[in-house]
Amino acid sequence: AQSVTQLDSQVPVFEEAPVELRCNYSSSVSVYLFWYVQYPNQGLQLLLKYLSGSTLVESINGFEAEFNKSQTSFHLRKPSVHISDTAEYFCAVSPTSGTYKYIFGTGTRLKVLA
Amino acid sequence: KAGVTQTPRYLIKTRGQQVTLSCSPISGHRSVSWYQQTPGQGLQFLFEYFSETQRNKGNFPGRFSGRQFSNSRSEMNVSTLELGDSALYLCASSLELAGGTDTQYFGPGTRLTVL
Repeated sequence: AQSVTQLDSQVPVFEEAPVELRCNYSSSVSVYLFWYVQYPNQGLQLLLKYLSGSTLVESINGFEAEFNKSQTSFHLRKPSVHISDTAEYFCAVSPTSGTYKYIFGTGTRLKVLA
Repeated sequence: KAGVTQTPRYLIKTRGQQVTLSCSPISGHRSVSWYQQTPGQGLQFLFEYFSETQRNKGNFPGRFSGRQFSNSRSEMNVSTLELGDSALYLCASSLELAGGTDTQYFGPGTRLTVL
């Protein structure tokens, strides 16, 4: 079985400051890792994903996440946030074999302050 | 390509009633998953359908059921509604690549309020 923990339910940060949203997972099998973003009154959109290869993955809007197998973590970072990054961010895992199923964390609400 | 569509967007029901929600996946996507999103529990997986068959099921009571049609459209039904069923119900579709590598595309959700 898999589980995902996002320890921070809310993260306030000033505009242009760096931010890190933490994600830790537990799994007895290998997993793929995902970050999704949900803007107000919208569904979730994929931000980035780790499938294999380089442990550092980047999104087109400046976010990056690093897969750390030993610490079973996949933290999301951005060096300088904008007001428009205000949203809820969800970390998710999916087993690499068998009939797949996404397991989501409870989400982190990022609020960027002017 | 049109995105995932869900109807209706908003629903208000009373306890004991039943409700049916609809989801139309992106054209060509054969896998449809349903999630319940609540402030306290986050996203919880309800079930997944692929080629008209339920392939995965989460830990929800039998009051929650679903089906998928030959055109991949999916419906979920909740019978004997309870106050705790108030939530945003999200549908997601995917192409079904090997081993879960594909991206899930989410609809905007149906917000269900049970009074």
